[in-house]
Order: sequence, then C-alpha cells, then structure tokens
Amino acid sequence: DAGVIQSPRHEVTEMGQEVTLRCKPISGHDYLFWYRQTMMRGLELLIYFNNNVPIDDSGMPEDRFSAKMPNASFSTLKIQPSEPRDSAVYFCASTKNEKLFFGSGTQLSVL
Amino acid sequence: RKEVEQDPGPFNVPEGATVAFNCTYSNSASQSFFWYRQDCRKEPKLLMSVYSSGNEDGRFTAQLNRASQYISLLIRDSKLSDSATYLCVVNGAGGFKTIFGAGTRLFVKA
Repeated sequence: DAGVIQSPRHEVTEMGQEVTLRCKPISGHDYLFWYRQTMMRGLELLIYFNNNVPIDDSGMPEDRFSAKMPNASFSTLKIQPSEPRDSAVYFCASTKNEKLFFGSGTQLSVL
Repeated sequence: RKEVEQDPGPFNVPEGATVAFNCTYSNSASQSFFWYRQDCRKEPKLLMSVYSSGNEDGRFTAQLNRASQYISLLIRDSKLSDSATYLCVVNGAGGFKTIFGAGTRLFVKA
C-alpha cells in the first residue's frame, strides 16, 4: 500500500516567491494534518482537516500561509510570499483512528 | 507553558542498559497518548499507544498517570538500533488535535 506521498522532497526558493507543497493522504483516511519541524521549535501543528474541511488552523503562523483540501486525495500548503524564517521541514500526515502516518516531508529552504 | 513537555536529553547509554523518558502535558481533558520515534532526517513513526493501565510491547513499556498528567516510556536491554528521537504525543479533547513534544534524543553506544 502506498503511504502518504509528499512533493517536492526538496524546495529551494528565494525570499518573496510563492511556494506550494503537496500531499496525497492514504486512501480511506479522513483526517489530514500539516506540521512544520525546526530544530528550535520541534514539530508544530499548522492545520488539520476532517473529510476535507479545515477543523483547526490556529497553528498557521500568519496570513502568508494557506492550506486547501479540494478532495479526499489531495491537499496543498501554500506560502506567499515566502521568507527565510519559513525554512523548515514540512510534514503531511493522515489517519482514520488517531494513529498518524507521515509522509517523507518537504525540506524547504528560503534564501 | 508548552502543551507537551519533554526532557530533550540527549541520553547516552551503553547497549543493554535500561532507560526511561518522561513527558508531561498541560491539558487535563486530553484523551489519547502515544510515543513516536523519529530517526535522523526521517519522518516520525508510531512506536506505541499509551493506555491508562500501562502497556508493554517487547522491550518497551509505556505508562500513563492522568492525575499527574504524566507519561513515561521505558526501554529495556537497549540496542544500537534504538538510537533515535522519541516524541511524546497527546491528542486533545475530541481526539484529533495531535500535539507533539519536542522529543528526547537517545544514543545507544556499543
């Protein structure tokens, strides 16, 4: 079975550019989570969805961040405009019973 | 105060040692508890759930103390392959707002 699939694996961009991260959850999972991980702050929950509906976005750092889930098999996290402090590993995870399965993450570097 | 707090370590132990990690959480309404393991440059993976009565999975034992809002993980007979970061995880009331602790790093040496 395919796990959670994230793309791209690595993204290097310049400050001010738009960045879009993508996630395909495991089929049948009805919850999807976006996390950000840095050395300083650890794993931070940004937003999570249930049946494609955003439930809690209180972790989204500011208006530059937005997330969508247009259908059960796809979600995006967008940063516009990007800043160097957004550099981190962004993980997507999905579940149907509280036990999270993570994708391999996207390493984002904003120069 | 952070919602989930862990001792960051690192813990450096010899093979065969027993090591224990602790975690405290601030939301008394939290419903579910887990330990995840994260290897360097990899994604977190579920290690085990934590039940009120305590539970064991091979060399790993997890305990929950709701009164003290405290979770623990005990690893017996440590192996080199146990070297990783161990993340304490708490789900809030309603179940699905999943919060991770900062993790405790473990190094097991020969």
